[in-house]
Amino acid sequence: QKEVEQNSGPLSVPEGAIASLNCTYSDRVSQSFFWYRQYSGKSPELIMSIYSNGDKEDGRFTAQLNKASQYVSLLIRDSQPSDSATYLCAVNPFTRGNMLTFGGGTRLMVKP
Amino acid sequence: GAGVSQSPRYKVAKRGQDVALRCDPISGHVSLFWYQQALGQGPEFLTYFQNEAQLDKSGLPSDRFFAERPEGSVSTLKIQRTQQEDSAVYLCASSSTAFMNTEAFFGQGTRLTVV
Repeated sequence: QKEVEQNSGPLSVPEGAIASLNCTYSDRVSQSFFWYRQYSGKSPELIMSIYSNGDKEDGRFTAQLNKASQYVSLLIRDSQPSDSATYLCAVNPFTRGNMLTFGGGTRLMVKP
Repeated sequence: GAGVSQSPRYKVAKRGQDVALRCDPISGHVSLFWYQQALGQGPEFLTYFQNEAQLDKSGLPSDRFFAERPEGSVSTLKIQRTQQEDSAVYLCASSSTAFMNTEAFFGQGTRLTVV
């Protein structure tokens, strides 16, 4: 079992819809969770971080964390074609400083 | 500098050749990470420096891989006797502290192709 699991997609949504991206992790004591966006051929860029159970909203993005279920999600409201990218879930294992363990990424396609 | 800078951006190496990849982190950043990203996969951790100390090298796939950060700023990832399975994008990231919850900024990566 991989430490961080994501559905590889592609997830296809129409413009204006809500895109829902999911991630599960295996290390129960993980404390920090991140969503990175990576455009093709580019480097990952951080879009959201979340550290406690519940929801965290930033503009069109909402991150949701459920530590009991070891589950993190990212919702993108009013999806735009420019949101089309690969979204990487990353987890900071508690016992390994501040290195990140990444999932394989979910490719999102927003169709006009 | 304004961001994490990596060079070269692209490197083609013949199998068996040694390569050196450079990372120039954001000035003053304490933590530096190297990741390997194969096509269609997420980044995989290779090694971590806190200033000049290499605190974790558990992700280095073999003893052909070596990383250093001698003065706590620029880092070099060296791969000896390259093999085809080494072909990947090598990403460097830095963060301002050694604490968890600190954002890591990524460079553009070096795409290594071993032929």
